[in-house]
Amino acid sequence: AQTVTQSQPEMSVQEAETVTLSCTYDTSESDYYLFWYKQPPSRQMILVIRQEAYKQQNATENRFSVNFQKAAKSFSLKISDSQLGDAAMYFCAYGYSGTYKYIFGTGTRLKVLA
Amino acid sequence: SQTIHQWPATLVQPVGSPLSLECTVEGTSNPNLYWYRQAAGRGLQLLFYSVGIGQISSEVPQNLSASRPQDRQFILSSKKLLLSDSGFYLCAWESPGNTIYFGEGSWLTVV
Repeated sequence: AQTVTQSQPEMSVQEAETVTLSCTYDTSESDYYLFWYKQPPSRQMILVIRQEAYKQQNATENRFSVNFQKAAKSFSLKISDSQLGDAAMYFCAYGYSGTYKYIFGTGTRLKVLA
Repeated sequence: SQTIHQWPATLVQPVGSPLSLECTVEGTSNPNLYWYRQAAGRGLQLLFYSVGIGQISSEVPQNLSASRPQDRQFILSSKKLLLSDSGFYLCAWESPGNTIYFGEGSWLTVV
């Protein structure tokens, strides 16, 4: 069965600094999707970034980028130039086409210090 | 562009009362729809998904049920709420690109 593990329950970063959130997953599939979602205090889940497993190039969205290591089954999120608005819970997720199942990690709470 | 809305945003219900949470999607047709629950301090648990009108798959045996009476409408229900039903409920739709997008969420407190 597929699993997603986020081993860091909480992280802190100084404003304007860079932080990396870790995620590992387990799957026997070769073609799948990985995601990072942000959940601010409003609780709405917002898609941050998406990676397709067949693409070797790491996805990037403005200040957010991923380090996708397929062989190691690792999918970390790097936030550059951290801003106060980045403070939130971040969830790593895995999806496999046609299964209708998206598996979520337990989340990492990111605090941004002014 | 596609949008998803769910309501009510917050509700407090007594034990044994019924529940109805509604979710609608605009700007797309025949989307796959999902209901998730998030307990305090936890990740997301998939409750139900639907691939079409009247087609509901349940992932977890529980006190809840789901229905899809229209293409872009997804309803989460219960006949009699339990204390353990308290939590944050999220509706989501799946894009053709295999990505799910969430509604605003609904806070349910059963007292």
